[in-house]
Amino acid sequence: DAKTTQPPSMDCAEGRAANLPCNHSTISGNEYVYWYRQIHSQGPQYIIHGLKNNETNEMASLIITEDRKSSTLILPHATLRDTAVYYCIVRVSNDYKLSFGAGTTVTVRA
Amino acid sequence: NAGVTQTPKFRVLKTGQSMTLLCAQDMNHEYMYWYRQDPGMGLRLIHYSVGEGTTAKGEVPDGYNVSRLKKQNFLLGLESAAPSQTSVYFCASSYTLAGEGTDTQYFGPGTRLTVL
Repeated sequence: DAKTTQPPSMDCAEGRAANLPCNHSTISGNEYVYWYRQIHSQGPQYIIHGLKNNETNEMASLIITEDRKSSTLILPHATLRDTAVYYCIVRVSNDYKLSFGAGTTVTVRA
Repeated sequence: NAGVTQTPKFRVLKTGQSMTLLCAQDMNHEYMYWYRQDPGMGLRLIHYSVGEGTTAKGEVPDGYNVSRLKKQNFLLGLESAAPSQTSVYFCASSYTLAGEGTDTQYFGPGTRLTVL
């Protein structure tokens, strides 16, 4: 699987959009970009995934650059409950495991 | 629909003791996984199963054994616990991979294990 690089931490104001970057410059054509998050002491939670096109669901939007070497997870209106560690993961569709790195610790402040 | 449940939630063992962690899912998922998470680190895959009666090694399988006798259950065993196995253990399950990147893993709440 391609490695990913994320900033170790970032702060966000409540009610504002949170933009979480992820670099995956060695991604190959059959690898998807997944985002999970882990709220303190809980199991990871799936957020969104994509291959080439931008994706949106009820939780977030995923913007993937045209060359697919980086992506951004957007939380449109961050709340205090969005404080968590966010993991950007790249994997091929038939790979069983999720390779979790250190992630980005996002702190949403009132 | 309970999703993925794990038993027990907490456990303290002495070095050399054995125990079994139970994971159960009610979503009829084919794939199940055991991960461990050490403080300040991401999750690492211990073992996984692609169906009833099958198991396979992940990244850090040493010191652990698993069994998948029923589709809904995935057991993780520690035969002789060591302090290095102090960790939080997460179980996950997912649908059969369709080859289209639509596989999503659903995680349980975790088991916090301390080995003294």
